[in-house]
Amino acid sequence: LAKTTQPISMDSYEGQEVNITCSHNNIATNDYITWYQQFPSQGPRFIIQGYKTKVTNEVASLFIPADRKSSTLSLPRVSLSDTAVYYCLVVLDGQNFVFGPGTRLSVLP
Amino acid sequence: NAGVTQTPKFQVLKTGQSMTLQCAQDMNHNSMYWYRQDPGMGLRLIYYSASEGTTDKGEVPNGYNVSRLNKREFSLRLESAAPSQTSVYFCASTSFPGLAGSSYEQYFGPGTRLTVT
Repeated sequence: LAKTTQPISMDSYEGQEVNITCSHNNIATNDYITWYQQFPSQGPRFIIQGYKTKVTNEVASLFIPADRKSSTLSLPRVSLSDTAVYYCLVVLDGQNFVFGPGTRLSVLP
Repeated sequence: NAGVTQTPKFQVLKTGQSMTLQCAQDMNHNSMYWYRQDPGMGLRLIYYSASEGTTDKGEVPNGYNVSRLNKREFSLRLESAAPSQTSVYFCASTSFPGLAGSSYEQYFGPGTRLTVT
């Protein structure tokens, strides 16, 4: 089973770029990597997904090196409202979602 | 378009009681999932259903049963509740799992907070 490892917590200041790295050493050839955001008392919300190299959307970028043993979520210019828990997931065989322990990001003014 | 709905929002059970958590989605999604989230922890997959008529175990299936009643509805049953099952339960759905290039975006419901005393 592809387990993921992330930092437990991170602090940042408003306006800074935040990079959260996830390790997934046992990822298989067909597995995808996704990232989710969760606010207190809410269900997680999808941010971005990728298979290899770099993916960018309107809120984040995802960097995946060639060996795919890790991935980095990049949040440009964070604001106070980005304070949340961020989860890295490996999607096993296209249908089994394995959440990691998450990274608690605190954005300070 | 309500997305994913869950009932009830809150529930308190005594040890040994049974109950069914209901989940429905109106997005015509193929796959549905049940997770539990203990305080301060990440989500753990209990069961999932990749299509109507199929169900598979996730990471923590013991003590639970599921039914994919139709494409819209996926229920989770606790036959004999235990204090260790005190948690927040989330239901989720996705559109096209398993196809290359598909989106793996899961849509989550608001959760059910269950306390077993």
